[in-house]
Formats: sequence, structure tokens, C-alpha cells
Amino acid sequence: DIQMTQSPASLSASLGETVTIECLASEDIYSNLAWYQQKPGKSPQLLIYYANSLNDGVPSRFSGSGSGTQYSLKINSLQSEDVSIYFCQQNYDSPDTFGAGTKLELK
Amino acid sequence: EVQILETGGGLVKPGGSLRLSCATSGFNFNDYFMNWVRQAPGKGLEWVAQIRNKNYNYATYYAESLEGRVTISRDDSKSSVYLQVSSLRAEDTAIYYCTRRGTTGFDYWGQGVMVTVSS
Repeated sequence: DIQMTQSPASLSASLGETVTIECLASEDIYSNLAWYQQKPGKSPQLLIYYANSLNDGVPSRFSGSGSGTQYSLKINSLQSEDVSIYFCQQNYDSPDTFGAGTKLELK
Repeated sequence: EVQILETGGGLVKPGGSLRLSCATSGFNFNDYFMNWVRQAPGKGLEWVAQIRNKNYNYATYYAESLEGRVTISRDDSKSSVYLQVSSLRAEDTAIYYCTRRGTTGFDYWGQGVMVTVSS
């Protein structure tokens, strides 16, 4: 199985700040990388797919980048509603494996 | 509107079994692979099982950690997918989510159903 290493495990940032979350795949996943947002007490929601494509309705302050084995999620101008756990997932090869998650809190 | 609704969770004794159901609507169920993903309390997401559609001969795949104890199935006539879990252990305690696998990823999720394994 492809292993996904996500960092940091937790992150504290202030409103308006820019934050970046990283995800490293154990092998080349050819941009088949998705990011999910899970708000407290809710189901995960697809945020970004194919490494850099925003899902419908996702604010433009979210962006994704990367290729090969290294990917990142960037949130510009952090808002209070962005407090969530973020997960990366590779969907290049079965099974679709997840990173361990990054808990984003407000400072 | 796509809707996914899981049922069948609850409190189960160690060694027991459970069958989770997932009813869907709002999309052509026959076209999609369906998955179960679980999340233990305070933990991350763990993919559990996948069942592909008729075009892929309803092929099934399971997480190694659960293989032999889980069976995923689907009923296209009811737009539903099921997960049978047996020989339940405390570490199977989790929210179990049913999710649709689109071309972009797991694009729709149910609200989840809690399974608690305890004596």
C-alpha cells in the first residue's frame, strides 16, 4: 500500500494568517491527491482533487499544489470557519490511503 | 441532491457481529464504486472496504487489518451498500462512514454511524 505522511500533526494560527500543510507519498502518485476537510462533529468533505483542483463551493483562499511524491495544501487569510482537521489521500492506487491528519486551531 | 444514510450501528459485545447499511439517492448508484471508511474516537480516517460496480464485476477490496472479518456487498436495485463485520473487538469502535468514490476522490459521505464494541 502507498503510505501517506502528513505534517504537521497540529497547527495553531491566527486569523488572517497563511498556513501550509504537507503530504508526502511513499511513491509517485502522479497528482492523484485529494484533500479533505473535517469540521468538528461532521463528516469529511472533499476540498481539493487532482492535487490542485478546488471542489465546487470551496473558497478560493484554499489552494493545492505539488507533484510526484510531495504535495501541499495552503490556506490564505485564515478564517474562523477553517478550524478543522485536514486529511490528504492518494487515489492513484488501491487502496486509497489517507494521511494521519492535521488539526488546525486558532491561536 | 446526493444523499447517503448509514444505519445499523450500536453497542455490540466483543466477539459479536454487526451489519451496517447505507442507503443512497440522488445519483446513478450503478455507476459508482462505494466504500466504507471508519474513524476511531479522536483518530484519523481508515479505509475499510470497497465494492466496485457491475462493469468491474462487483470486485471487492478490504483493508488488511480487517480482512477475513468484513464483507462488503451492494444491492443496485436498492441503491444500497452493506458492511458485515464479525468477531468485533474493542479496537473496531469507530464511526463508520459510507462514501461514494467518484473520479475525483471520495466526493460524497454519509453522516456516519457509531459502532461501540464493549462488554
